[in-house]
Amino acid sequence: DTGVSQDPRHKITKRGQNVTFRCDPISEHNRLYWYRQTLGQGPEFLTYFQNEAQLEKSRLLSDRFSAERPKGSFSTLEIQRTEQGDSAMYLCASSLRAGMSSNEQFFGPGTRLTVL
Amino acid sequence: QQPVQSPQAVILREGEDAVINCSSSKALYSVHWYRQKHGEAPVFLMILLKGGEQKGHDKISASFNEKKQQSSLYLTASQLSYSGTYFCGSNNAGNMLTFGGGTRLMVKP
Repeated sequence: DTGVSQDPRHKITKRGQNVTFRCDPISEHNRLYWYRQTLGQGPEFLTYFQNEAQLEKSRLLSDRFSAERPKGSFSTLEIQRTEQGDSAMYLCASSLRAGMSSNEQFFGPGTRLTVL
Repeated sequence: QQPVQSPQAVILREGEDAVINCSSSKALYSVHWYRQKHGEAPVFLMILLKGGEQKGHDKISASFNEKKQQSSLYLTASQLSYSGTYFCGSNNAGNMLTFGGGTRLMVKP
């Protein structure tokens, strides 16, 4: 247990439905990241926050995806009008301080999304 | 563009050594190494920074060649617990990590 929690752990939904995932980072960490991982691949960066500010988004992130971190603590990732291609493991990670290059990221257990 | 890892898969007997390589087509500012077991989250192993600084576990070593834009992870006297998929993440002076496709390591008794 790294101290990063995610909820739910599993989500099965029908195509076209909206889903929302939650991530609670390690409390003193001010950076929070979202990744997507498909079977047999490495995590793929989606977006990250420093405190409540969303500082970067992947070009791969379609406008159906939105993320928030309203009070600089927990974060939510929402996918609207889900498609079968959205099926993946969604990982959240947090790190301490700015300067990502020198600070390790601690990953949560992930939310596995299955879109039928 | 994601870094390229080699080999894609390794099978070892307990006690044997292995080297996992990670190559980037872009200049590397730092390299992060993680291990992921099936169904679990990636676990941090090591960071190697431009300039030679390293942060990580005592039992794992790694190298970082800035000129060649490569990093290698050295697993010595492997144990059953080393089994899993190893990912390198490259930081190319931006604010995100780009992960390689992974190296699957299996250690057998």
